[in-house]
Order: sequence, then structure tokens, then C-alpha cells
Amino acid sequence: GENVEQHPSTLSVQEGDSAVIKCTYSDSASNYFPWYKQELGKGPQLIIDIRSNVGEKKDQRIAVTLNKTAKHFSLHITETQPEDSAVYFCAAIGNRDDKIIFGKGTRLHILP
Amino acid sequence: EPEVTQTPSHQVTQMGQEVILRCVPISNHLYFYWYRQILGQKVEFLVSFYNNEISEKSEIFDDQFSVERPDGSNFTLKIRSTKLEDSAMYFCASVTGLTYEQYFGPGTRLTVT
Repeated sequence: GENVEQHPSTLSVQEGDSAVIKCTYSDSASNYFPWYKQELGKGPQLIIDIRSNVGEKKDQRIAVTLNKTAKHFSLHITETQPEDSAVYFCAAIGNRDDKIIFGKGTRLHILP
Repeated sequence: EPEVTQTPSHQVTQMGQEVILRCVPISNHLYFYWYRQILGQKVEFLVSFYNNEISEKSEIFDDQFSVERPDGSNFTLKIRSTKLEDSAMYFCASVTGLTYEQYFGPGTRLTVT
């Protein structure tokens, strides 16, 4: 089955700097790669996603890249702000009704 | 904006007791899921449900677990005889089936003592 690896497990960046989180997946049949943000005591919230036919997608300060050949995908957050502090999960899905396979998460700390 | 809701937010129970966790998925969604997150760990798939039956279940979802959609809105997860290791956050999610985006509820924190 699908396996998603995520690193780093913890990341601290100065406010205003950029943060990059990287993931790899194992199943070449995976088609959809969402990123979830989880704040303390809350459920995962979808923040951005990318499909396998696209190499890059951007939404304001957040961007995702996908290298399907290498089975790598990454989350980039620019001009980080205190409210970006949270746990971020990458994930992979095969078909629209499939279960989500999550990475282990990255705890992002934005330092003042 | 429509959202997935879950009740209760926190459930404390004694080992061996039955618990029922409740979810109300987004109204036009057709596929429903339960996930579990043990403290500090990643979110793990438990079960998916479509057309009033289980589509897929993980190894975690053993005979102690069951799911039901008793009416047109609620989706429940029952644990028949809770164990200490069932302590976790349980998240419900739903998706239309026409798109990929799964929306998660806020979770139920289950504490088994």
C-alpha cells in the first residue's frame, strides 16, 4: 500500500523567513496530494492541494510542488507569520473516494 | 460554509465500556470516513463508508468497531468494549465523491481509563 514519508518532524523559522516541508510517496498510482494544517485541539484543515497532472500550484504565501517522476512533493510557506505555527501533514490519495494516507507531520514554530 | 460536526468533543470512559462517537457530515457528501490520531502521532485511516456499507477498513478496525448511518444525517462509530489503547482523537471526514477534497470534523477526544 501507499506510504508517505515527511520531513523534517520539527521546523523552526524566524518570522518573515520561508519554510519548506518535504514529502515522498511510494505508490505511483496516487493522484492527489493535499496538505493539511492542524492547530492545537482541532481537526486537520485542508490548506492547499495538487493533482498529479500539475507540477506547481500557488495560493498567496503558500505553494506546493510535485515531481511525479521522483515521487516528491513539497510545501513552501513564504513570509511566515506567527499564525503559521501549527502541525502540517502531507498526504496522498489514489482515487476521489479513497482513504487519505498521511505523513507523520511537521511541527512548525515561527520564532518572533 | 458547510462543515463536518462531531459530538461529543471529549468523552471519558472506563475500560470495557461501549462508546458511540457521532458525526454529521456535510449534507451533499456521499463518502464518509473515520480516522484516528493517537497523541503526537499521525492521522490513521480506520474505515470508509459509502451507500450504507463499509467500503474499506484498516487493520485497526477490528470486531470491536462498527459504523452506522442510522438516518440521513448522522454517521456513528461504536467501540463495543474500549481498551486503554483506544485513547485517541477520532476524526470524521466526508467527501462528495466528485472531488478529492475531504473535509474533517473537529474531532472527539476519547480517554479510556
